Amino acid sequence: EDKVVQSPLSLVVHEGDTVTLNCSYEVTNFRSLLWYKQEKKAPTFLFMLTSSGIEKKSGRLSSILDKKELFSILNITATQTGDSAIYLCARGSNYKLTFGKGTLLTVNP
Amino acid sequence: DTAVSQTPKYLVTQMGNDKSIKCEQNLGHDTMYWYKQDSKKFLKIMFSYNNKELIINETVPNRFSPKSPDKAHLNLHINSLELGDSAVYFCASSSSIQFGTGELFFGEGSRLTVL
Repeated sequence: EDKVVQSPLSLVVHEGDTVTLNCSYEVTNFRSLLWYKQEKKAPTFLFMLTSSGIEKKSGRLSSILDKKELFSILNITATQTGDSAIYLCARGSNYKLTFGKGTLLTVNP
Repeated sequence: DTAVSQTPKYLVTQMGNDKSIKCEQNLGHDTMYWYKQDSKKFLKIMFSYNNKELIINETVPNRFSPKSPDKAHLNLHINSLELGDSAVYFCASSSSIQFGTGELFFGEGSRLTVL
């Protein structure tokens, strides 16, 4: 079975902290690794990673993929209360995205 | 204009009833999906369609029947609803080139509550 494991499952930090979210995946037929942010409604796309070691960056968020160790991390620096959300990692393969269970991030003022 | 739209957004119904959720996308994509998100927020694929053809049926009970009348629409009909069907159902689409591997565009979800 395609497997995507995220850690931690939940995290509470204060504004200004830096957080690192983890995602490990199974290698079979792996094509891509994606990160999504979900607040109240639909997941919104953050990053797609296909190559190892190349960091993708968008403002305070960045992500990198390690295809040798089969994991990805999502970093958020100088967190803000608006970063509070569920962060979902998904593995692309076999004509589908398989999602992990998500990390619930709570940023307190 | 909403890229992926689902109706209804909320649905409350009794066990045993039959209900449908409709999905339309105006992105010009030819691949569409249904995902189910349970109360623990776990998002799990149910079906994927490419050019109106069913590609993935992820061991979903026969009570769930998707239908794609054209590439822009993917509807979900559920027969004999059970309590365990209560969830948020998300429709999504992507381009064929990135079928199953690239960015999915999600609808806002349809929250189904079975009493």
